[in-house]
Amino acid sequence: NAGVMQNPRHLVRRRGQEARLRCSPMKGHSHVYWYRQLPEEGLKFMVYLQKENIIDESGMPKERFSAEFPKEGPSILRIQQVVRGDSAAYFCASSLTAPNTGELFFGEGSRLTVL
Amino acid sequence: KQEVTQIPAALSVPEGENLVLNCSFTDSAIYNLQWFRQDPGKGLTSLLLIQSSQREQTSGRLNASLDKSSGRSTLYIAASQPGDSATYLCAVSTIQGAQKLVFGQGTRLTINP
Repeated sequence: NAGVMQNPRHLVRRRGQEARLRCSPMKGHSHVYWYRQLPEEGLKFMVYLQKENIIDESGMPKERFSAEFPKEGPSILRIQQVVRGDSAAYFCASSLTAPNTGELFFGEGSRLTVL
Repeated sequence: KQEVTQIPAALSVPEGENLVLNCSFTDSAIYNLQWFRQDPGKGLTSLLLIQSSQREQTSGRLNASLDKSSGRSTLYIAASQPGDSATYLCAVSTIQGAQKLVFGQGTRLTINP
């Protein structure tokens, strides 16, 4: 049973470009979460999605960031017009059951570097 | 607002020692607490999940306890090995926002052969 799969593992973008990060949850998991780990900081919640629905995006920056989890295919975290401050590791997690009971399983992360 | 603190920030011990990592949280209204390990440049590996109604969980050489009323959890590692070297993170799921795990800054553990 494959774990949470994220790609790309490493992504380099120049300022102003777009970054797309993909996450395939564990098989059977319908709850997906995105977290960001800035250099020398802890992990911070960004967004929680279920299939085709954004449940909680309170941790997402108001501009340039968006997330989706379509009926078919992986969850996508999209960052438009990237800036140097977006350089970070972006982790996706999934759970089988609701957040208050489910154990979260994390992917290996996507490390974004903005030049 | 929930805040999670982990002490110490870094710990270095010789191989074979038993050790305790500490985690404290400010809001005791939690659903569960989860311990993870993170290797450099890698993702998070779930170690133990303790529901709020539980006092402890064990997995191999690891034992995690939870005292919800005092806002504390400990991770006990028995007979430490060099392969245990990693950063250990605790995270809580609060009743106010169950979907948002709140993480501590982690304890960077080094086991010296």
